Amino acid sequence: GQNIDQPTEMTATEGAIVQINCTYQTSGFNGLFWYQQHAGEAPTFLSYNVLDGLEEKGRFSSFLSRSKGYSYLLLKELQMKDSASYLCAVMDSNYQLIWGAGTKLIIKP
Amino acid sequence: GAVVSQHPSRVICKSGTSVKIECRSLDFQATTMFWYRQFPKQSLMLMATSNEGSKATYEQGVEKDKFLINHASLTLSTLTVTSAHPEDSSFYICSARDVQALAGGSPQETQYFGPGTRLLVL
Repeated sequence: GQNIDQPTEMTATEGAIVQINCTYQTSGFNGLFWYQQHAGEAPTFLSYNVLDGLEEKGRFSSFLSRSKGYSYLLLKELQMKDSASYLCAVMDSNYQLIWGAGTKLIIKP
Repeated sequence: GAVVSQHPSRVICKSGTSVKIECRSLDFQATTMFWYRQFPKQSLMLMATSNEGSKATYEQGVEKDKFLINHASLTLSTLTVTSAHPEDSSFYICSARDVQALAGGSPQETQYFGPGTRLLVL
């Protein structure tokens, strides 16, 4: 079957760095996405990885290892507004997104 | 990034009535749009895949006669919840697939989400 695993909840301190991991097992692979979702709102696109390596976008970076079925989202210089759920999703061979359950990130002052 | 709009953002209706939700891609053409439902504190659940000019593909357990999907143009898909009941109250979110051709590489596909429609059936 298809499976996406990520931690349910993480807590970090404002100004610090946090890494949210995602492991996956899917039928085919056409890219991995990270989305941010604030409570009561729709998800917003953060990053897309299809090749191995690190993609950096400002305070956010995303890493992919296809051989290990592993990705992480790295958030630097954490701000209170970064408190949200972070969703990992993999596009399978049918170009369907398979979603993880999301990681709720709590930022403390 | 690309923009997807959804209308209405919030709707309250009586049990037994029908509600139509519109999803529009504003600055790109989307041959494929997706409809999701999200209950409180739960992950997104894909309901159906909407393809322009053809019938939608529904996920297992989703009643196609209750959730009518029409994708009449490359920028508009509609979801109609027919004979809504209180258990249909949920957050409905659409997304549109955007495909960008990258120089020298595989095309990049991204899904952009609408802001969601909160449905409350009394």
